[in-house]
Amino acid sequence: AQKVTQAQTEISVVEKEDVTLDCVYETRDTTYYLFWYKQPPSGELVFLIRRNSFDEQNEISGRYSWNFQKSTSSFNFTITASQVVDSAVYFCALSAYSPGTASKLTFGTGTRLQVTL
Amino acid sequence: DAGITQSPRYKITETGRQVTLMCHQTWSHSYMFWYRQDLGHGLRLIYYSAAADITDKGEVPDGYVVSRSKTENFPLTLESATRSQTSVYFCASSQDRGNYGYTFGSGTRLTVV
Repeated sequence: AQKVTQAQTEISVVEKEDVTLDCVYETRDTTYYLFWYKQPPSGELVFLIRRNSFDEQNEISGRYSWNFQKSTSSFNFTITASQVVDSAVYFCALSAYSPGTASKLTFGTGTRLQVTL
Repeated sequence: DAGITQSPRYKITETGRQVTLMCHQTWSHSYMFWYRQDLGHGLRLIYYSAAADITDKGEVPDGYVVSRSKTENFPLTLESATRSQTSVYFCASSQDRGNYGYTFGSGTRLTVV
């Protein structure tokens, strides 16, 4: 069975602070994929990043960066110099590769990030 | 417009009534999914479909029925709505099995009174 844990329910920061959202996952599969989605107050789900289990390179995209560590089963997300527009709920998700069938996403419970001026 | 659309955006229904949530995608993606979002649970998979006429249960299928007679449509029916089915419902599609992630619709907020 797969499981994703986002222990931080809510985080509040002041604009320009750096913030890290934690994600810990469990799976017995050797091939799997990790995702982050953003859900702004408008409610839609926005894809941010995908990582496969064989690629542990960290990734940076503008103010966003992701740290994938298989040794600790973690896929953490850092926002540098946060902005008010970053206020949203962020979901970490996991899917395992299953030949011949759909790869079903298992989501964490989400972390609500509030960025204030 | 290209994309994935859900209708209605908001729905209030009474306990015991049948209600159908619609999902339409224009990409001809093979795979489609229905999730529900509840506070404290994140998103949970209800049903998914690998192609027209092929559907399968997810984590929380009880009380729901799906069909997929055409590739582009994947309606979700609550046969006899209960208050516990008050939730936000998201439809998603994927061009592969989902390994590259999903594209989600805007969601349907359903309230059962």
